[in-house]
Amino acid sequence: AQSVTQPDIHITVSEGASLELRCNYSYGATPYLFWYVQSPGQGLQLLLKYFSGDTLVQGIKGFEAEFKRSQSSFNLRKPSVHWSDAAEYFCAVVGGKLIFGQGTELSVKP
Amino acid sequence: ETGVTQTPRHLVMGMTNKKSLKCEQHLGHNAMYWYKQSAKKPLELMFVYNFKEQTENNSVPSRFSPECPNSSHLFLHLHTLQPEDSALYLCASSPQGPQGDGYTFGSGTRLTVV
Repeated sequence: AQSVTQPDIHITVSEGASLELRCNYSYGATPYLFWYVQSPGQGLQLLLKYFSGDTLVQGIKGFEAEFKRSQSSFNLRKPSVHWSDAAEYFCAVVGGKLIFGQGTELSVKP
Repeated sequence: ETGVTQTPRHLVMGMTNKKSLKCEQHLGHNAMYWYKQSAKKPLELMFVYNFKEQTENNSVPSRFSPECPNSSHLFLHLHTLQPEDSALYLCASSPQGPQGDGYTFGSGTRLTVV
């Protein structure tokens, strides 16, 4: 069965610092992978997605993610975090249906 | 607005009430979904509709009753809920079935059961 694990429940970074959010998936075939962001009281907004091809994908708001098949990972990165990036981030995989990880809450220190 | 509209945004209901959540999309999508988001838990897929037909019920209690009258509208009818049903209920749609691309989410309905 497909599954997604986000090992970090909560991360705090300083504004301007780099960010990496971890995501590991379990799926037998080539997965479709996604990162979503959710601001308080809002729905989910798609940041980026990977289907095939180049393993480094660019998304909105300066985010990127790298697909590593050997590690079953799809980590999200941003070189310089802004205060407005504080939100909850969800990794998801489609393999028959869209399944989410438990989310990582990002706090940004001034 | 994302293209998927959910009403109401907030709902407080007693355990003996009957209420309905509404989801509407005019994106031309053929698949629609209900997800439940509880605190400290991953988003849980509840129901999947593809071309108005229910294709998945993820062991959801019968006090939740979905309805999809057409490809643009999805309802979740609620009755005799429990306090543990308090959560954010998210609707989503996608152009094709669950295996595809392009899921768009609504802003959700925050449900509180008292």
